[in-house]
Amino acid sequence: GQQVMQIPQYQHVQEGEDFTTYCNSSTTLSNIQWYKQRPGGHPVFLIQLVKSGEVKKQKRLTFQFGEAKKNSSLHITATQTTDVGTYFCAGRQTSGSRLTFGEGTQLTVNP
Amino acid sequence: DGGITQSPKYLFRKEGQNVTLSCEQNLNHDAMYWYRQDPGQGLRLIYYSQIVNDFQKGDIAEGYSVSREKKESFPLTVTSAQKNPTAFYLCASTQGNEQFFGPGTRLTVL
Repeated sequence: GQQVMQIPQYQHVQEGEDFTTYCNSSTTLSNIQWYKQRPGGHPVFLIQLVKSGEVKKQKRLTFQFGEAKKNSSLHITATQTTDVGTYFCAGRQTSGSRLTFGEGTQLTVNP
Repeated sequence: DGGITQSPKYLFRKEGQNVTLSCEQNLNHDAMYWYRQDPGQGLRLIYYSQIVNDFQKGDIAEGYSVSREKKESFPLTVTSAQKNPTAFYLCASTQGNEQFFGPGTRLTVL
C-alpha cells in the first residue's frame, strides 16, 4: 500500500532559526496536504498542493511539491515560539481517495 | 473544532470492556473518518465513511467497529478484541479537500 515517510521525526531550533521538514511518498500523489498539531491539540489544515513543482507561501511558511509529485517540503523562515507543534504531511494517491499521513515532525523552538 | 464534537475528552475503561466514542458534526459533510494517534506517531486510519449507511476499513480496523446511520454521527466502538486500545482517537470530516478534526478523545484502558 501507499506509504508516506516524513523526516526528521524531531527538530529543536533556536528562535529565529529556519526549519524544514520533508515528506516522501512511495507512489505518485494526486495532491498533498500539510497539517499542524499544537501540543495537546488536534491537526489543523494548513494547505494543499496539487500541481507538479508547485510552490505556495503563507507568511513565513513555504510549501513545495516535487516535480515527480512524490515528495514535498515545508520550510519555516525565522521560527517563532508560536510555531511549536507537530507538522504532518498527508498524501492522496488519486483524487477523492483517502489521505495517508506521514509520521510528523515535532518542532520545538527555544526562546 | 469547526463543528465537530467528540466526547468525552478523557475516557477510562477496564480491560475487557467495550467502549463507544462519539463523533458528531454539523458541517453537513458527507465523509467522516476515525484515526488513532499514539505518542510520537502519526495518524493511522481506522475506519472511514463516505456516505450514510456505508463505511470502509482503514489500515488498522481490527478490534474496532463503526456505524453511520446518520450523516451527522459516526460513532466508533473499541471492542475487547483490540489488543492495545490506549491511544488518542481523532474523528474528522471532509467535504472536498481539507479534513476538519474534532478535539479528540484520549482513551485509557486499565
